[in-house]
Amino acid sequence: DAGITQSPRHKVTETGTPVTLRCHQTENHRYMYWYRQDPGHGLRLIHYSYGVKDTDKGEVSDGYSVSRSKTEDFLLTLESATSSQTSVYFCAISLNGVDEQFFGPGTRLTVL
Amino acid sequence: TQLLEQSPQFLSIQEGENLTVYCNSSSVFSSLQWYRQEPGEGPVLLVTVVTGGEVKKLKRLTFQFGDARKDSSLHITAAQPGDTGLYLCAGARMNRDDKIIFGKGTRLHILP
Repeated sequence: DAGITQSPRHKVTETGTPVTLRCHQTENHRYMYWYRQDPGHGLRLIHYSYGVKDTDKGEVSDGYSVSRSKTEDFLLTLESATSSQTSVYFCAISLNGVDEQFFGPGTRLTVL
Repeated sequence: TQLLEQSPQFLSIQEGENLTVYCNSSSVFSSLQWYRQEPGEGPVLLVTVVTGGEVKKLKRLTFQFGDARKDSSLHITAAQPGDTGLYLCAGARMNRDDKIIFGKGTRLHILP
């Protein structure tokens, strides 16, 4: 199994609070991704990174920011959580961007 | 606009039956991947097809990439309850070398 961990695995928070999700990999893969998965929408890309300090927006980036200060860590921040951000968040890694993606176990976030 | 359309969205069949699910697009892809996702877990890659017309077999699963590289199919022979899950196709578009896109998935339920 690819070495990808996500933390926390579950979180309940209130509207307006900041939330940071962490993705950690031990594979030294260049690309890292944050997706959200919602019924009826499938997997939607939030942000991705193609190297340390190199990030770009995905299709649903509004309300989210990311940072990658080290190869192994990719952080997703909700500056002010809203109920519409209640979702399951998956981190994924890839060697070259279009190769196989390895997914983490997911974080279930509930915003009340 | 959904670039990768998967059909059917839901499928429930009896153990032992055969089935085919589809992944279609108007775009050309340099490769297509199929993932399976089980409840509470991240997607896991089943296969990657890269050549138009390519057929790959994984035990009772047969994957085919369309000749024009715009579509793919997954055929399961003699379905088993263990095949239950969400099947996602994902593609790397030609000349887009930084990320793949996902379809919304087919949720398959095999009844014992």
